[in-house]
Amino acid sequence: AQTVTQSQPEMSVQEAETVTLSCTYDTSESDYYLFWYKQPPSRQMILVIRQEAYKQQNATENRFSVNFQKAAKSFSLKISDSQLGDAAMYFCASFGNEKLTFGTGTRLTIIP
Amino acid sequence: EPEVTQTPSHQVTQMGQEVILRCVPISNHLYFYWYRQILGQKVEFLVSFYNNEISEKSEIFDDQFSVERPDGSNFTLKIRSTKLEDSAMYFCASSEVGFTLSYEQYFGPGTRLTVT
Repeated sequence: AQTVTQSQPEMSVQEAETVTLSCTYDTSESDYYLFWYKQPPSRQMILVIRQEAYKQQNATENRFSVNFQKAAKSFSLKISDSQLGDAAMYFCASFGNEKLTFGTGTRLTIIP
Repeated sequence: EPEVTQTPSHQVTQMGQEVILRCVPISNHLYFYWYRQILGQKVEFLVSFYNNEISEKSEIFDDQFSVERPDGSNFTLKIRSTKLEDSAMYFCASSEVGFTLSYEQYFGPGTRLTVT
């Protein structure tokens, strides 16, 4: 069984600043993948970044990067140079046993 | 860029009625999924489908639910007798399983189901 925990229901950040969203997970799978999805008010699920558990190097996608600590089962998302368009719900998810398991989400507000 | 499409975008139905939610996955994808999100809650896995059969399902996916790939492009979720608690956003997703074993799932825009 997999569990994903996001302990920050809400976060806010000043525009152009950096913010980190936390996520911890637990899984019995030896091979798994971790994801961050963004859900704007339209409720579309948009993939932000992906991390393969067997890779030690942290994934980066432009302003988005992760801090993957496998031993601690931690997978945080860092957003640099925050923009107004980054305002959304952010869901951490793990993939294993043919399904995604999501956390409860963090609502990110960007302060102009 | 290829995308997953879902129809309708919003479905309103009366309790006890049957509904069919439709999805067109990305054409070269082989794994298909349904998830649901009750308003204000997290996204929950319902079912995965591969090679024309269910490969995994959650405890939510009871006898009221069924999935089908009636032709080479569509993937449907049927709820036989809707309940008020079925009101949610339903997301279809697909992923490519191939040489790269990419597990990235591409989500459709969702169908908002309202049961009255």
